[in-house]
Amino acid sequence: EPEVTQTPSHQVTQMGQEVILRCVPISNHLYFYWYRQILGQKVEFLVSFYNNEISEKSEIFDDQFSVERPDGSNFTLKIRSTKLEDSAMYFCASRLNNEQFFGPGTRLTVL
Amino acid sequence: KNEVEQSPQNLTAQEGEFITINCSYSVGISALHWLQQHPGGGIVSLFMLSSGKKKHGRLIATINIQEKHSSLHITASHPRDSAVYICAVLSNYQLIWGAGTKLIIKP
Repeated sequence: EPEVTQTPSHQVTQMGQEVILRCVPISNHLYFYWYRQILGQKVEFLVSFYNNEISEKSEIFDDQFSVERPDGSNFTLKIRSTKLEDSAMYFCASRLNNEQFFGPGTRLTVL
Repeated sequence: KNEVEQSPQNLTAQEGEFITINCSYSVGISALHWLQQHPGGGIVSLFMLSSGKKKHGRLIATINIQEKHSSLHITASHPRDSAVYICAVLSNYQLIWGAGTKLIIKP
């Protein structure tokens, strides 16, 4: 059964460093999403992406964040200069019709 | 006020008990998801429904669109059902998430 994959599963970085979180959505899906979940809090929407451009973004998704679909398979989230409060689980999802399918998440720890 | 409210926040039960988790929402939706999150963090979609009832094994999900309410039931609960159960509604193609219900099933 096709699934969404994410790499790495855990990333540790120093404050101020750039990180790139990678996702491979399900191949025939057209809509892609990033969410984050700070430890102990609920999942928050970051951004949605369709037809090679951002379709929606939340207030969290400021200029430090960017998304890209550099080729036909990967969907990346870049955080330009990480802050301590960026420490969270980051989930990628892809959608066909109404149902979203989630990746296993990347745990980002900013020291 | 949160657009998606779940109750209870925490639930501890004995193995074998019938479990009900509730979700109420205040926005117009096209679908509602029930998701499961284990301690490792991964999110698994259990159900997506827009009307009526769905059943998968020991899990049953119902939705009442008029009342803007959904329930997730677990029959014959088992310790392996221990997880956080999250309700998320699809509104304007965005998922709005509930805070989750932490379920612990004791043997």
